[in-house]
Amino acid sequence: EAQVTQNPRYLITVTGKKLTVTCSQNMNHEYMSWYRQDPGLGLRQIYYSMNVEVTDKGDVPEGYKVSRKEKRNFPLILESPSPNQTSLYFCASSSRVISSIYGYTFGSGTRLTVV
Amino acid sequence: GESVGLHLPTLSVQEGDNSIINCAYSNSASDYFIWYKQESGKGPQFIIDIRSNMDKRQGQRVTVLLNKTVKHLSLQIAATQPGDSAVYFCAENTDYTGTASKLTFGTGTRLQVTL
Repeated sequence: EAQVTQNPRYLITVTGKKLTVTCSQNMNHEYMSWYRQDPGLGLRQIYYSMNVEVTDKGDVPEGYKVSRKEKRNFPLILESPSPNQTSLYFCASSSRVISSIYGYTFGSGTRLTVV
Repeated sequence: GESVGLHLPTLSVQEGDNSIINCAYSNSASDYFIWYKQESGKGPQFIIDIRSNMDKRQGQRVTVLLNKTVKHLSLQIAATQPGDSAVYFCAENTDYTGTASKLTFGTGTRLQVTL
């Protein structure tokens, strides 16, 4: 089944403790992206990657890092999480030209709480 | 499931009636638009898309209308069913390099189907 898999689904952590949210897709997509979703603000892009070893900032990159060492994986790293990073996170992937394949395929989300 | 928005505009529709969800987009140069459906606890799922050279596109029970003059999109759902209850997002493609895609999402509308 074609899908984007995120782990974990739920995570509670303490301020300052480094964490990684993993994302993997099995569709051979070039393009991957991370979004956060907050009440009243919709989905906002954190980082995106156009291909292996090519990453760039989205609209809200502060406090996050990503890497793209392999085509299928795009982990999101919070080096020193803070409470304002409490949010619902989605990973998404698509083919290089988005309009050819019905937009993004999203993962099921990761609910992160930083206390 | 995760709450995607505590302060979303809400549309309440009786089962069997038609629903119309509206979206204003921001960039007059956007060339591709998508409607997504997000059910509680899940990631957004593609419903229907439309390119800027079209005014209307129909799918199964859904129709998207595009009015470029006023930068307005609408999603019409015919014979609304309880399973249609979800949050609906519009997204516009704002990347014009032709090599990748950047979707900008609206804040969403919650559709509640009453029996």
